Amino acid sequence: QLQLQESGPGLVKPSETLSLTCKVSGGSISRSTYYWGWIRQSPGKGLEWIGSIHYSGSTYYNPSLKSRVTVSVDTSKNQFSLKVRSVTAADTAVYYCARHYCGADCYPDHWGQGTLFIVFS
Amino acid sequence: QSVLTQPPSASGTPGQRVTISCSGSTSNIGSNTVNWFRQLPGTAPKVLIYSNNQRPSGVPDRFSGSKSGTSASLAISGLQSEDEADYYCAAWDDSLNGHLVFGGGTKLTVL
Repeated sequence: QLQLQESGPGLVKPSETLSLTCKVSGGSISRSTYYWGWIRQSPGKGLEWIGSIHYSGSTYYNPSLKSRVTVSVDTSKNQFSLKVRSVTAADTAVYYCARHYCGADCYPDHWGQGTLFIVFS
Repeated sequence: QSVLTQPPSASGTPGQRVTISCSGSTSNIGSNTVNWFRQLPGTAPKVLIYSNNQRPSGVPDRFSGSKSGTSASLAISGLQSEDEADYYCAAWDDSLNGHLVFGGGTKLTVL
């Protein structure tokens, strides 16, 4: 059974870099049909897609976050990661990692439980 | 402000049929399929409908999706108390190199 587990420090100061990792178990990250990505949800708000990556290294990003975000993949560890630079209070959110099924188009079909990340000064 | 537009709230009584709309544009819903997610309080979202009208295994046929032009809708028939949740639509957007966009979410209340 596929499982995705987010990990990373829960607190970061403004202007620093948020770093999160998603460990994938129960399936290989190196399958051509899937991208692996991140989605966040600010407290009491809706969902915001951040970006995704294929095991080959191909990426897609949310245009509004692209300048501050990097998604990377480590196939040897079956995991992928997110970095958000120059964080502000607006980056405080629950961050979900998710497998994206990509057929005719892509959508997140399997989600991690989410991890809360707080920017505090 | 979300790229896809959903009503912030919807409600119905047990047994009733409710629909939730999702409006987009030619670069997203008009060109790609629509997916729906349900989020129960304190949990991660789960796929409810994919590719406009397909249900993953385990999702009851009380849930159905449709799409026409640049709009889509989710219908829930035989409303149950456990259907009270937040519902989100999403679609791939072909603009700016491609990215996924979500609706703002609809909170469904079962009266």
